[in-house]
Amino acid sequence: GENVEQHPSTLSVQEGDSAVIKCTYSDSASNYFPWYKQELGKRPQLIIDIRSNVGEKKDQRIAVTLNKTAKHFSLHITETQPEDSAVYFCAAGVSDNYGQNFVFGPGTRLSVLP
Amino acid sequence: DGGITQSPKYLFRKEGQNVTLSCEQNLNHDAMYWYRQDPGQGLRLIYYSQIVNDFQKGDIAEGYSVSREKKESFPLTVTSAQKNPTAFYLCASIPAGTGIPGANVLTFGAGSRLTVL
Repeated sequence: GENVEQHPSTLSVQEGDSAVIKCTYSDSASNYFPWYKQELGKRPQLIIDIRSNVGEKKDQRIAVTLNKTAKHFSLHITETQPEDSAVYFCAAGVSDNYGQNFVFGPGTRLSVLP
Repeated sequence: DGGITQSPKYLFRKEGQNVTLSCEQNLNHDAMYWYRQDPGQGLRLIYYSQIVNDFQKGDIAEGYSVSREKKESFPLTVTSAQKNPTAFYLCASIPAGTGIPGANVLTFGAGSRLTVL
């Protein structure tokens, strides 16, 4: 089955700096890669996603890149702000005979220091 | 709560007791999922269901059971066979299969925190 690894597990940056979180996946059949942000005590919320037929996607300060050959994808946050502090999860989505399944990475705790 | 309601928010259980966590959605989504969240381990899939009266085991189904009698409801029972049930449980749903814009975006409930005393 699919296995998703995520690094680093914790990340501290100064406000205004960039943050990068990297994930790798194992199943070449995975075709959808979302990123979720979870603030303390709240539910995960989608911040950006990318499909396997796209190499890069950007939404304001957030961007995601995908390298299908190497089976890795990354989240880039520029000009970080204190409100970016949260746990970020990557995931790999694959369609099997039953339906759509998602495998999550273990998460990265991002702290943006003022 | 974003169309998915989980209850209760907090639950305490004595060892040996079964408990049922409720998940109701009014989004008309076809597929529903139950995840368990433990610190440092991300979200692990317990069960998922694509249609009514059908569901599949996820990676950590042992000690759990589900039902899908209605499209909008997907309750999870944590049985006494689950050896370490203390965790945060998240229910989620998506509209339909691939090819439909927005179909892959998981919508999560607010979660239920279960503590075994």
